[in-house]
Amino acid sequence: DIQMTQSPSSLSASVGDRVTITCQASQDISNYLNWYQQKPGKAPKLLIYDASNLQRGVPSRFSGSGSGTDFTFTISSLQPEDFATYYCQQYDNLPPYTFGQGTKLEIK
Amino acid sequence: EVQLVESGGVVVQPGGSLRLSCVVSGLTFDDYTMHWVRQVPGKGLEWVSLISWDGGNTFYGDSVKGRFTISRDNNKNSLYLQMNSLRTEDTALYYCVKGRLGAGYHFDHWGQGTLVTVSS
Repeated sequence: DIQMTQSPSSLSASVGDRVTITCQASQDISNYLNWYQQKPGKAPKLLIYDASNLQRGVPSRFSGSGSGTDFTFTISSLQPEDFATYYCQQYDNLPPYTFGQGTKLEIK
Repeated sequence: EVQLVESGGVVVQPGGSLRLSCVVSGLTFDDYTMHWVRQVPGKGLEWVSLISWDGGNTFYGDSVKGRFTISRDNNKNSLYLQMNSLRTEDTALYYCVKGRLGAGYHFDHWGQGTLVTVSS
Protein backbone atom coordinates (compact mmCIF):
# COMPACT_ATOMS: atom_id res chain seq x y z
CA ASP A 1 0.00 0.00 0.00
CA ILE A 2 1.06 3.57 -0.65
CA GLN A 3 2.07 5.49 2.47
CA MET A 4 1.63 9.24 2.78
CA THR A 5 3.96 11.26 4.99
CA GLN A 6 2.60 14.68 5.83
CA SER A 7 4.56 17.42 7.57
CA PRO A 8 4.58 19.20 9.84
CA SER A 9 2.15 17.48 12.19
CA SER A 10 1.35 20.83 13.76
CA LEU A 11 2.01 24.42 12.91
CA SER A 12 1.48 27.76 14.66
CA ALA A 13 0.90 30.81 12.51
CA SER A 14 -0.68 34.24 12.56
CA VAL A 15 -3.47 35.79 10.53
CA GLY A 16 -1.99 37.04 7.28
CA ASP A 17 0.88 34.53 7.25
CA ARG A 18 1.72 32.33 4.28
CA VAL A 19 1.60 28.66 5.29
CA THR A 20 2.88 25.59 3.50
CA ILE A 21 2.22 21.92 4.25
CA THR A 22 3.95 19.07 2.46
CA CYS A 23 2.92 15.52 1.66
CA GLN A 24 5.23 12.82 0.37
CA ALA A 25 4.07 9.57 -1.20
CA SER A 26 5.99 6.31 -0.82
CA GLN A 27 5.82 5.84 -4.60
CA ASP A 28 4.96 7.81 -7.71
CA ILE A 29 1.26 8.76 -7.67
CA SER A 30 1.34 11.21 -10.60
CA ASN A 31 -1.08 13.99 -9.59
CA TYR A 32 -3.53 11.70 -7.80
CA LEU A 33 -3.72 13.74 -4.63
CA ASN A 34 -6.46 15.61 -2.78
CA TRP A 35 -6.36 18.02 0.17
CA TYR A 36 -9.06 18.32 2.83
CA GLN A 37 -9.79 20.71 5.68
CA GLN A 38 -11.40 19.54 8.91
CA LYS A 39 -12.64 21.82 11.66
CA PRO A 40 -13.35 20.51 15.18
CA GLY A 41 -16.56 18.53 15.37
CA LYS A 42 -17.11 18.74 11.62
CA ALA A 43 -16.66 16.42 8.68
CA PRO A 44 -13.73 16.99 6.33
CA LYS A 45 -14.17 19.29 3.34
CA LEU A 46 -12.55 18.82 -0.05
CA LEU A 47 -10.39 21.83 -0.96
CA ILE A 48 -8.01 20.70 -3.72
CA TYR A 49 -8.29 17.75 -6.13
CA ASP A 50 -5.86 16.32 -8.67
CA ALA A 51 -3.04 18.02 -6.73
CA SER A 52 -3.73 21.54 -7.95
CA ASN A 53 -7.39 22.06 -8.84
CA LEU A 54 -9.48 24.22 -6.55
CA GLN A 55 -12.82 22.72 -5.56
CA ARG A 56 -15.75 24.96 -6.49
CA GLY A 57 -16.50 27.54 -3.84
CA VAL A 58 -13.10 27.30 -2.15
CA PRO A 59 -11.27 30.63 -1.78
CA SER A 60 -8.33 31.27 -4.09
CA ARG A 61 -5.92 31.77 -1.18
CA PHE A 62 -5.76 27.97 -1.07
CA SER A 63 -3.54 26.25 -3.62
CA GLY A 64 -1.79 22.97 -4.28
CA SER A 65 1.11 21.81 -6.39
CA GLY A 66 3.34 18.86 -7.07
CA SER A 67 3.42 15.55 -8.86
CA GLY A 68 5.12 12.21 -8.52
CA THR A 69 5.96 11.82 -4.85
CA ASP A 70 6.18 15.37 -3.52
CA PHE A 71 3.24 17.71 -3.00
CA THR A 72 2.65 21.08 -1.41
CA PHE A 73 -0.45 22.78 -0.03
CA THR A 74 -0.32 26.53 0.52
CA ILE A 75 -2.53 29.14 2.15
CA SER A 76 -1.32 32.48 0.82
CA SER A 77 -2.71 34.70 3.59
CA LEU A 78 -4.19 32.99 6.62
CA GLN A 79 -7.67 33.98 7.68
CA PRO A 80 -9.20 33.31 11.11
CA GLU A 81 -11.50 30.64 9.65
CA ASP A 82 -8.53 28.68 8.25
CA PHE A 83 -7.37 27.37 11.60
CA ALA A 84 -8.16 23.68 11.27
CA THR A 85 -6.56 20.32 10.52
CA TYR A 86 -5.52 19.57 6.95
CA TYR A 87 -5.13 16.14 5.34
CA CYS A 88 -3.70 14.94 2.07
CA GLN A 89 -5.16 11.81 0.44
CA GLN A 90 -3.83 9.75 -2.47
CA TYR A 91 -5.91 7.79 -4.96
CA ASP A 92 -3.40 6.18 -7.25
CA ASN A 93 -4.86 3.35 -9.31
CA LEU A 94 -6.89 1.06 -7.05
CA PRO A 95 -7.73 1.39 -3.36
CA PRO A 96 -6.81 1.67 -0.55
CA TYR A 97 -6.99 5.45 -0.68
CA THR A 98 -4.63 6.49 2.09
CA PHE A 99 -4.57 9.75 4.00
CA GLY A 100 -1.66 11.61 5.48
CA GLN A 101 -1.46 11.91 9.26
CA GLY A 102 -2.83 15.44 9.25
CA THR A 103 -1.46 18.90 10.04
CA LYS A 104 -3.07 20.88 12.83
CA LEU A 105 -2.85 24.58 12.09
CA GLU A 106 -3.10 26.68 15.24
CA ILE A 107 -3.14 30.36 16.03
CA LYS A 108 0.18 31.78 17.21
CA GLU B 1 -28.76 20.31 -1.36
CA VAL B 2 -26.86 17.04 -1.03
CA GLN B 3 -27.29 15.38 2.35
CA LEU B 4 -25.80 12.19 3.76
CA VAL B 5 -27.21 10.97 7.07
CA GLU B 6 -25.60 8.06 8.87
CA SER B 7 -27.16 5.92 11.59
CA GLY B 8 -26.57 2.70 13.47
CA GLY B 9 -23.59 3.57 15.63
CA VAL B 10 -23.83 2.12 19.14
CA VAL B 11 -21.75 0.51 21.85
CA VAL B 12 -21.02 -3.14 21.02
CA GLN B 13 -18.89 -5.83 22.61
CA PRO B 14 -15.74 -7.19 20.98
CA GLY B 15 -16.64 -9.96 18.57
CA GLY B 16 -20.04 -8.47 17.96
CA SER B 17 -21.73 -7.25 14.79
CA LEU B 18 -23.29 -4.01 13.68
CA ARG B 19 -24.84 -2.55 10.55
CA LEU B 20 -24.40 1.09 9.67
CA SER B 21 -26.74 2.87 7.29
CA CYS B 22 -26.52 6.07 5.32
CA VAL B 23 -29.42 7.72 3.54
CA VAL B 24 -28.50 10.10 0.74
CA SER B 25 -30.70 12.84 -0.68
CA GLY B 26 -30.39 15.73 -3.09
CA LEU B 27 -28.86 13.79 -5.98
CA THR B 28 -29.33 10.77 -8.24
CA PHE B 29 -27.83 8.25 -5.85
CA ASP B 30 -27.09 5.52 -8.39
CA ASP B 31 -24.78 7.82 -10.36
CA TYR B 32 -22.14 7.80 -7.64
CA THR B 33 -19.39 5.72 -6.10
CA MET B 34 -19.78 5.71 -2.33
CA HIS B 35 -17.32 5.20 0.51
CA TRP B 36 -17.00 4.71 4.24
CA VAL B 37 -14.19 6.57 5.98
CA ARG B 38 -13.54 6.35 9.71
CA GLN B 39 -11.80 8.47 12.30
CA VAL B 40 -10.79 7.54 15.81
CA PRO B 41 -11.75 10.57 17.94
CA GLY B 42 -8.83 12.96 18.04
CA LYS B 43 -6.90 11.01 15.40
CA GLY B 44 -6.56 10.91 11.63
CA LEU B 45 -8.73 9.66 8.78
CA GLU B 46 -8.77 6.08 7.52
CA TRP B 47 -10.46 5.03 4.28
CA VAL B 48 -12.51 1.86 4.96
CA SER B 49 -14.38 0.76 1.85
CA LEU B 50 -15.92 1.75 -1.46
CA ILE B 51 -18.73 0.50 -3.65
CA SER B 52 -19.30 1.36 -7.28
CA TRP B 53 -22.50 2.98 -8.51
CA ASP B 54 -24.15 -0.34 -9.28
CA GLY B 55 -22.69 -2.37 -6.42
CA GLY B 56 -20.68 -4.43 -8.87
CA ASN B 57 -17.30 -3.48 -7.48
CA THR B 58 -16.27 -3.26 -3.86
CA PHE B 59 -12.92 -2.63 -2.16
CA TYR B 60 -11.78 -2.71 1.44
CA GLY B 61 -8.92 -1.50 3.54
CA ASP B 62 -6.61 -4.19 4.88
CA SER B 63 -7.70 -3.61 8.47
CA VAL B 64 -11.35 -4.54 7.73
CA LYS B 65 -11.03 -6.97 4.83
CA GLY B 66 -12.94 -10.19 5.52
CA ARG B 67 -14.88 -8.66 8.43
CA PHE B 68 -16.78 -5.73 6.89
CA THR B 69 -19.14 -5.76 3.90
CA ILE B 70 -20.28 -2.68 2.03
CA SER B 71 -23.55 -2.68 0.11
CA ARG B 72 -26.13 -0.31 -1.32
CA ASP B 73 -29.80 -0.20 -2.23
CA ASN B 74 -30.25 2.29 -5.03
CA ASN B 75 -34.03 2.07 -4.74
CA LYS B 76 -33.75 3.38 -1.20
CA ASN B 77 -30.87 5.83 -1.80
CA SER B 78 -29.03 3.99 0.94
CA LEU B 79 -25.51 2.81 1.69
CA TYR B 80 -24.69 0.18 4.29
CA LEU B 81 -21.72 -1.21 6.16
CA GLN B 82 -22.09 -4.61 7.79
CA MET B 83 -19.43 -4.93 10.48
CA ASN B 84 -18.65 -8.36 11.91
CA SER B 85 -16.04 -9.68 14.35
CA LEU B 86 -15.65 -6.20 15.76
CA ARG B 87 -12.46 -5.27 17.59
CA THR B 88 -11.67 -2.51 20.04
CA GLU B 89 -9.56 -0.87 17.33
CA ASP B 90 -12.70 -0.48 15.19
CA THR B 91 -13.92 2.16 17.63
CA ALA B 92 -14.32 5.31 15.53
CA LEU B 93 -16.63 7.84 13.97
CA TYR B 94 -17.77 6.37 10.65
CA TYR B 95 -18.44 8.78 7.80
CA CYS B 96 -20.54 8.06 4.74
CA VAL B 97 -18.80 9.77 1.82
CA LYS B 98 -19.81 10.48 -1.76
CA GLY B 99 -17.34 10.34 -4.63
CA ARG B 100 -17.40 12.96 -7.37
CA LEU B 101 -19.18 12.03 -10.60
CA GLY B 102 -16.58 10.58 -12.93
CA ALA B 103 -13.93 10.71 -10.23
CA GLY B 104 -15.16 8.60 -7.39
CA TYR B 105 -11.94 9.02 -5.44
CA HIS B 106 -12.59 12.73 -4.85
CA PHE B 107 -14.59 12.77 -1.62
CA ASP B 108 -16.77 15.80 -2.23
CA HIS B 109 -19.62 15.30 0.23
CA TRP B 110 -19.49 13.83 3.73
CA GLY B 111 -22.09 12.96 6.33
CA GLN B 112 -21.67 14.02 9.94
CA GLY B 113 -20.70 10.53 11.03
CA THR B 114 -22.02 7.86 13.37
CA LEU B 115 -19.99 6.73 16.39
CA VAL B 116 -19.17 3.06 16.86
CA THR B 117 -17.72 2.06 20.20
CA VAL B 118 -16.38 -1.46 20.66
CA SER B 119 -15.94 -2.16 24.35
CA SER B 120 -16.67 -4.81 26.92
